[in-house]
Formats: sequence, structure tokens, C-alpha cells
Amino acid sequence: DVQLTQSPSFLSASVGDRVTITCRASQDISDYLAWYQQRPGKAPKLLIYVASTLQSGVPSRFSGSGSGTEFTLIISSLQPEDFATYYCQQFNSYPPTFGQGTKVEIK
Amino acid sequence: EVQLVESGGGLVQPGGSLRLSCAASGFTLSSYWMSWVRQAPGKGLEWVANIKQDGSEKYYVDSVKGRFTISRDNAKNSLYLQMNSLRAEDTAMYYCAKEPFGYSSNWYVDYWGQGTLVTVSS
Repeated sequence: DVQLTQSPSFLSASVGDRVTITCRASQDISDYLAWYQQRPGKAPKLLIYVASTLQSGVPSRFSGSGSGTEFTLIISSLQPEDFATYYCQQFNSYPPTFGQGTKVEIK
Repeated sequence: EVQLVESGGGLVQPGGSLRLSCAASGFTLSSYWMSWVRQAPGKGLEWVANIKQDGSEKYYVDSVKGRFTISRDNAKNSLYLQMNSLRAEDTAMYYCAKEPFGYSSNWYVDYWGQGTLVTVSS
């Protein structure tokens, strides 16, 4: 199975900060990567798919980039509602697998 | 608006069985691959299984093969997960999820239900 490693696992940031989360794959997955946001006690929500395409309705402060084995999720200006856990997921190889998550907390 | 509402979770003893249901609305269920994804308490996400529009193809993560069965009834707008021989490590929130449109599976999901909690304990 493809292993995904997110870094950092935890970060503390302030409203208005630029936040960068990295996801590294154990093998080449092309651009078959999605990012999800999960707020506490809620279901995950799709943010980005095929590495850089924003899901409909997702604010433009979220962006994704990368291909191959290294991917990045950027939140350009952190808002109060963005404090959550973020997961990457690869869908290049069966079975689809998720990263361990990055928890973004208020500084 | 896409809505997915899971039910059927609860407390079950190791070795027991449980059947989860997911009621879909706001879209044509018969047009989409559907998935189950789970999350153990305080842990990350794990894809469990998916099923093609007409039920002719089904895929499972290795840890549940032979124990779990995914199925669907498009006429009833429902997705199911039959779970047998349950183990403590199956304890998790189980999410029903819709995939984006495709004749083949996209292997990721674009809408999630709120989940139903399964606890396997004696």
C-alpha cells in the first residue's frame, strides 16, 4: 500500500497566518491526491482533488500543489473556521490510503 | 443538496454482526460509486469498501475482506455494510460517502454522511 506522511502532525497558528501542510507519498502517485478538512466532531469535507483543483464552494484561500511524491496544501490567510484537522488521500493505487492528519490549532 | 444519513451502529460483542445503512437523497444514487470510510476514536481515516453503480463491482480493504459485505438498493436509495465476525479493532465511526461521477471508481469521495458509531466490546 502507498504510505502518506504528513508534516507537521500538529501546528499552532494565528488568524491571518499563512499555513503550509506537506504530504509525502512512498511512491509516485502522479497527481492523484485529495485533501480533506475535518472540524471537531464533524465529518470530513473535500477541499481539493487531483492535487490542485478546488472543490466547488471551497474558499480560494485554500490551494494545493505538487505531483509525484510531494504535495502541499496552503491556507493563505487562516480564518477561525479553518482550525481543524487536514488529511491527504492518494487515489492512484488500490487501496486508497490517507495520511495521518495535521491538526491546526489556535495559537 | 446531497444528504447521506447513516444508521445501524451500536455496541456489539466480539464475533458479533451488525448491518449499517445509509439513506441517500439529493442526487441519483444509481449514477454513482459509493464508499464506506471509517475512523477509529481519536485516529485517522481508513477507506473500507466501495461499490459500483449497479453493484457489479465491489472492493474492500484487506483487513475486512471475508467479513464485511457492501451492497446497495438503488430503488430504496440506500447503501449497506454488513459486518460479521467483528473485532475490537473494528471499533470506529463509519461514514457513508459518495464518489464523484465516473464509470470507473475515482477512489476518492466528495460528500460524506455524519457517521454512525460502531463499538465492539465485551
